[in-house]
Amino acid sequence: DAKTTQPPSMDCAEGRAANLPCNHSTISGNEYVYWYRQIHSQGPQYIIHGLKNNETNEMASLIITEDRKSSTLILPHATLRDTAVYYCIVRVNTNAGKSTFGDGTTLTVKP
Amino acid sequence: NAGVTQTPKFQVLKTGQSMTLQCAQDMNHEYMSWYRQDPGMGLRLIHYSVGAGITDQGEVPNGYNVSRSTTEDFPLRLLSAAPSQTSVYFCASTQPGVETQYFGPGTRLLVL
Repeated sequence: DAKTTQPPSMDCAEGRAANLPCNHSTISGNEYVYWYRQIHSQGPQYIIHGLKNNETNEMASLIITEDRKSSTLILPHATLRDTAVYYCIVRVNTNAGKSTFGDGTTLTVKP
Repeated sequence: NAGVTQTPKFQVLKTGQSMTLQCAQDMNHEYMSWYRQDPGMGLRLIHYSVGAGITDQGEVPNGYNVSRSTTEDFPLRLLSAAPSQTSVYFCASTQPGVETQYFGPGTRLLVL
């Protein structure tokens, strides 16, 4: 799995968009970008994933740069319940059982 | 569906004791994994399995054993607990072609 780099912490005002960056400069052509979050020591929860196109679901949007060396997870209207640790993971989709989690970004949403 | 269940929720052990952390899933997933999470850190893979009878080591396998006799269950055994094994343990399952791993609620282990 390619190595990822995320800022250790970020703050965001409630109701504003939260933009969480991830660098993955050594990503291979067949590796996907996955995002998970972990709220208050619960088990991690899947958010979204993508290969090279931008993706959107009910939780978030994922923007992947054209060279695929970085990506941004966007929470469009952050709420206090979005306060969590966010993990960016890069892996091939056949390695679903052995994701490598780094230390992630602690996002704090403030009123 | 109960999803992924783990027992116990919390356990205190003395150094040298053994125990088994239980993990079960009712989604008929082929892949199951065990992770540990130390305070303030991300998850590290201990062992994983791609099907009944097949297991392999992850990043930090020392001090842990696993077996996979059924699709549903994937127990993690600590043979001789050490204080360094104090951590939160998460079990996860997924299926080829399913992109997300489903995680259990975790077992908090304290080794004195």
